[in-house]
Amino acid sequence: AQSVTQLDSQVPVFEEAPVELRCNYSSSVSVYLFWYVQYPNQGLQLLLKYLSGSTLVKGINGFEAEFNKSQTSFHLRKPSVHISDTAEYFCAVSGLDQGAQKLVFGQGTRLTINP
Amino acid sequence: DAGVTQSPTHLIKTRGQQVTLRCSPKSGHDTVSWYQQALGQGPQFIFQYYEEEERQRGNFPDRFSGHQFPNYSSELNVNALLLGDSALYLCASSHLDGRNREQYFGPGTRLTVT
Repeated sequence: AQSVTQLDSQVPVFEEAPVELRCNYSSSVSVYLFWYVQYPNQGLQLLLKYLSGSTLVKGINGFEAEFNKSQTSFHLRKPSVHISDTAEYFCAVSGLDQGAQKLVFGQGTRLTINP
Repeated sequence: DAGVTQSPTHLIKTRGQQVTLRCSPKSGHDTVSWYQQALGQGPQFIFQYYEEEERQRGNFPDRFSGHQFPNYSSELNVNALLLGDSALYLCASSHLDGRNREQYFGPGTRLTVT
């Protein structure tokens, strides 16, 4: 079984400041890792994913994340945030089995950007 | 290319009633997964359908059932509704053999049980 812990339920930052949203996971097997964003009253949109290869993954809207296997972490970062980044962010994992596409999500981190 | 569509957008039901939610997957996708997102929580996996069969199921009671049609669209049925079933229900589509492992989510159906 897998589980995901997002260490901060809310993160307030000022516009143009850097931000890091933290994610730790637990799994007895190797996993794929994802970050999704949810804007108010909308579904989920994929920001980025780690499947294999380089541990630094770049996604849309200037976000990036680093996979750290020894610390079982997959923190999301952006060097300079914009008002439009205000949203809920979810970290998720899935198993490696082909077709085992069940996603296990964390509780979410609400990112609020202040002008 | 239309993405994942869900209907209805909003729904209000009374305790004990039954509800059916619908999902059309993204073009080219053959697998549909359903998730329940309670207010302030992350989505929780309900079940996944492929080739009209339930492939995986999360920790949800038998009151939750589903169906997938030959055109890959899917329905989620919930019987004997409880207040706790109030949530945003998300449908996600993917290709079972997709190497990119990406699931595309619809906008969701918000169910309110009174």
